[in-house]
Amino acid sequence: SQTIHQWPATLVQPVGSPLSLECTVEGTSNPNLYWYRQAAGRGLQLLFYSVGIGQISSEVPQNLSASRPQDRQFILSSKKLLLSDSGFYLCAWSGDSRAYEQYFGPGTRLTVT
Amino acid sequence: AQRVTQPEKLLSVFKGAPVELKCNYSYSGSPELFWYVQYSRQRLQLLLRHISRESIKGFTADLNKGETSFHLKKPFAQEEDSAMYYCALRGNSGGSNYKLTFGKGTLLTVNP
Repeated sequence: SQTIHQWPATLVQPVGSPLSLECTVEGTSNPNLYWYRQAAGRGLQLLFYSVGIGQISSEVPQNLSASRPQDRQFILSSKKLLLSDSGFYLCAWSGDSRAYEQYFGPGTRLTVT
Repeated sequence: AQRVTQPEKLLSVFKGAPVELKCNYSYSGSPELFWYVQYSRQRLQLLLRHISRESIKGFTADLNKGETSFHLKKPFAQEEDSAMYYCALRGNSGGSNYKLTFGKGTLLTVNP
């Protein structure tokens, strides 16, 4: 069966520090991968999605970037964190034929201090 | 541009009462609409999609293209229905096939 992992579960980082959040999927190949930010009162905001290795689409211009170095690995990064980057980050995957059905990871709670 | 609006951030009902979670959308083509649910301490998961026209856990949702709505309904709410509910839209052209646009969510509380 397919599983999706995210780490770390929680992270506290000072303003101006770098960020790297990792997401991996097991049990499937060539998944579509997604990064979302979930903020109270603002719902789920799609940040990036990828339909293949090295293919990244950015939805919202911001201080973050994403990379997909391997088929089932998706990384969210920042060179210098801002206070406004605090939030709950969710990774998700979907199959190509059922791209509407997304499977979400457990999330990472990021607090920028 | 595509947009999903859930006008209620919070909705509280008593057990056994009917419940309706509202969702309105804006999209120029023919979208697909979905409801996702997140129970306490669980991951966000798909509840139902309009194309399948099925009832899941007693919930149904009908796509009303004239009113651009996709409200989620259940005739008799149960305490275990308490959760955060998100309405989502998928476009049908180009890159929008891969993306879901989510509303801001409605937190449903079913009181005993």
